[in-house]
Amino acid sequence: QQQVKQSPQSLIVQKGGISIINCAYENTAFDYFPWYQQFPGKGPALLIAIRPDVSEKKEGRFTISFNKSAKQFSLHIMDSQPGDSATYFCAAYSGAGSYQLTFGKGTKLSVIP
Amino acid sequence: DTGVSQDPRHKITKRGQNVTFRCDPISEHNRLYWYRQTLGQGPEFLTYFQNEAQLEKSRLLSDRFSAERPKGSFSTLEIQRTEQGDSAMYLCASSLVQDYGYTFGSGTRLTVV
Repeated sequence: QQQVKQSPQSLIVQKGGISIINCAYENTAFDYFPWYQQFPGKGPALLIAIRPDVSEKKEGRFTISFNKSAKQFSLHIMDSQPGDSATYFCAAYSGAGSYQLTFGKGTKLSVIP
Repeated sequence: DTGVSQDPRHKITKRGQNVTFRCDPISEHNRLYWYRQTLGQGPEFLTYFQNEAQLEKSRLLSDRFSAERPKGSFSTLEIQRTEQGDSAMYLCASSLVQDYGYTFGSGTRLTVV
């Protein structure tokens, strides 16, 4: 069964702190792992993505760490800001015969001043 | 081009009525996707088009749901005989064939009363 399990469900971080969101998957056919950011009333927006042949990818304050053997990946937000307060979704994609993204249930991040 | 456009933004309908939503993708994108998102959950895949061909449908897409993409441009999603369980945000996304990253629209929020 294609599933992506995401934790925690909600996260409160102080301004300037590090936010960490974790995801785990089961299907080894997944070959692309994006993270999406969603603000209330808006659709998800692609934040950063990684492929399983890379263990880490960094874009600005956002870093994905990927552990292929453990089938886990995580999003780190450095120097978290109140503007980062949103819901974050991890997802996984297998291009082999299917073009659908499988999403986690989301993490609601609140960054407090 | 300002991204993926969805219309209407909100729709309230009585149970048993039919509703139709429209999605205008980014003009050069040949792939178009429909997802459904309920409160507190990640988006769930419904269906996918490449140009005008509907190539994949989820088991979530019951007989009451139909999607079209005539001429490979805009798409419509119709729900017949709506039920209260159909209340959700319906998201459209588009991408290029060679691009795994989707661009989502802001969605249509459907409320069935």
